[in-house]
Parts: sequence; structure tokens; C-alpha cells
Amino acid sequence: GESVGLHLPTLSVQEGDNSIINCAYSNSASDYFIWYKQESGKGPQFIIDIRSNMDKRQGQRVTVLLNKTVKHLSLQIAATQPGDSAVYFCAEGHAGNMLTFGGGTRLMVKP
Amino acid sequence: GAGVSQSPSNKVTEKGKDVELRCDPISGHTALYWYRQSLGQGLEFLIYFQGNSAPDKSGLPSDRFSAERTGGSVSTLTIQRTQQEDSAVYLCASSLDSGVADTQYFGPGTRLTVL
Repeated sequence: GESVGLHLPTLSVQEGDNSIINCAYSNSASDYFIWYKQESGKGPQFIIDIRSNMDKRQGQRVTVLLNKTVKHLSLQIAATQPGDSAVYFCAEGHAGNMLTFGGGTRLMVKP
Repeated sequence: GAGVSQSPSNKVTEKGKDVELRCDPISGHTALYWYRQSLGQGLEFLIYFQGNSAPDKSGLPSDRFSAERTGGSVSTLTIQRTQQEDSAVYLCASSLDSGVADTQYFGPGTRLTVL
């Protein structure tokens, strides 16, 4: 069945370095993708989204890349800061259906 | 504007007791979702309300779990005869449900501890 998964459950990076969090999806009908950030003790917060008619979208210090050929989604965080430490979830959806969430990747930023 | 709110923020109960968790969605959002998140884990879908349609209850783990949504707004998740394995953070989310896949906006969650 359809699934959304992550390659790396934990990612440790040095403060100031760039971070890349990856996500694979299997539903070729998915046309909407979201990244969420969840800090300890809080609910997931929307970071950035992208629709399937795009392959790249940039926000403030974050970039989402979508490769529909290999069904791969990534979140790039530039100049990672201690405040970026959190669990990151990808989610995918299509045509009025519910979002399907990935299992999450924990990002740890070392000072 | 106000985001999704949940109450209580923390709930400690004894095994066998019933609990009710409340969710106030963002005003105007017609879709509402409940998820469960165990410590260090991902999101486990529980139930989904979409407008006036029958809810999607496919994620409820047992018949001890139920939820209702009154007046298309506030929702209550009820867990009867709580068990220790019910201990988790219960998250509520809402979305516009505009007919395309919608961004879900989450509340802060209710941390449930069953002793």
C-alpha cells in the first residue's frame, strides 16, 4: 500500500552547517507534500509545502526539493541553528484525501 | 487568529477510569483529526471528521475509544476504562478541507498518563 517513510531516523549536525532531511513516498498520485517541525512538548508546526507541479520551493533558510521520478522529498535547512533541533515529519496527500505522515527524523544540532 | 487549542494539557488518571480530551479547531476549518503519539514515535491516526459526513474511524485502536464533534466545531475524544498502554500525547489538527489535500494545523496536544 501507499506509505511515506524516512531514510534517517536521527541526524546530527554541527551548528552552522546545512542539514538535509530525506523522505521517500510510494503513492505516485500524491500531489501535495508538507514538512512539519515538532519541538519537544509541542504539536507539529507547518514549515513549508510544495505541490507536484513544482520541484523546488524556498522559504526562510529552508528549501524543499521534490523529485517525482524517484518519489523523493527532501528538506534542506541552511546554517542550522540550535533552535532547529526537533523532529521533522514529511506528509503527502492528494485530491481531498487525508495527509499521510512519515515516521519522523530527529535533528540534533551540536554547538 | 487563534490556532487549534486542546485541553487539558496534561491528564493523569488511574487505570480503568474514563477520560475526555477536548479539541477546539481553527474557526472555519471543517475537517478535524485526532492522532496519538507515543514517546519518541510518529503520528498514529485515530479518527477524521469532515464536515457533516460520517467520520472515518478506521484508526481507533479499540472500542474503548470514541470521538464526537458537536456543531461541526469542538470535538471530544473519549477513552473508556483506560489502560497503561493508552499513555501518550493525543494531538488534534484541523484543516480547511477545501477539496484538495489540505495543510493540517496542530494543537499542542494533551499528554495522558495512565497509572
